[in-house]
Amino acid sequence: DAKTTQPTSMDCAEGRAANLPCNHSTISGNEYVYWYRQIHSQGPQYIIHGLKNNETNEMASLIITEDRKSSTLILPHATLRDTAVYYCIVRLPNSGGSNYKLTFGKGTLLTVNP
Amino acid sequence: DAGVTQSPTHLIKTRGQHVTLRCSPISGHKSVSWYQQVLGQGPQFIFQYYEKEERGRGNFPDRFSARQFPNYSSELNVNALLLGDSALYLCASSFYTDTYEQYFGPGTRLTVT
Repeated sequence: DAKTTQPTSMDCAEGRAANLPCNHSTISGNEYVYWYRQIHSQGPQYIIHGLKNNETNEMASLIITEDRKSSTLILPHATLRDTAVYYCIVRLPNSGGSNYKLTFGKGTLLTVNP
Repeated sequence: DAGVTQSPTHLIKTRGQHVTLRCSPISGHKSVSWYQQVLGQGPQFIFQYYEKEERGRGNFPDRFSARQFPNYSSELNVNALLLGDSALYLCASSFYTDTYEQYFGPGTRLTVT
């Protein structure tokens, strides 16, 4: 799986958009980009994933650059409850039962301030 | 719908003992994975099971074992506990699809003294 690089920490004001960057310059053509977050003392929570196109769901938007070497997770209106560690993970699609695991780095601690 | 459930929530064991942790996946999910998260680190993959068969194993010693039952619930067993086994143990379940989004339970906090 391709390695990812994320800032250690970021701050965001409540109500503003939080933009979390991730660098994955060695990503291969069929690797997906996933984002998970982990609120303190809870299990990780799936947020969104994408391959080439930008994606949006009820939680966030994922913007992947055209060369796919980086991506940005956008929380459009951050709240205090969005304070968490955010993990960017790249992974090959499931293939006959392989490529199943998620390889977590240290992620970005996003702190949303009042 | 209920999410992934794990039991117990917290557990304290002594070095050398063994422990069994339990996980019930989301209804309809046939794949279960286990992860270990030590303080300050991201989760590390231990095992993955699908249809009661082990499909993957991370870099953990043989003291760690797991199994999946016909109802797709799973157990993680750890023998001869060491202080370093103290961690949050996470279970995740998923459909068996190409993109394999995994949904995590709240975890079991194991403390080895």
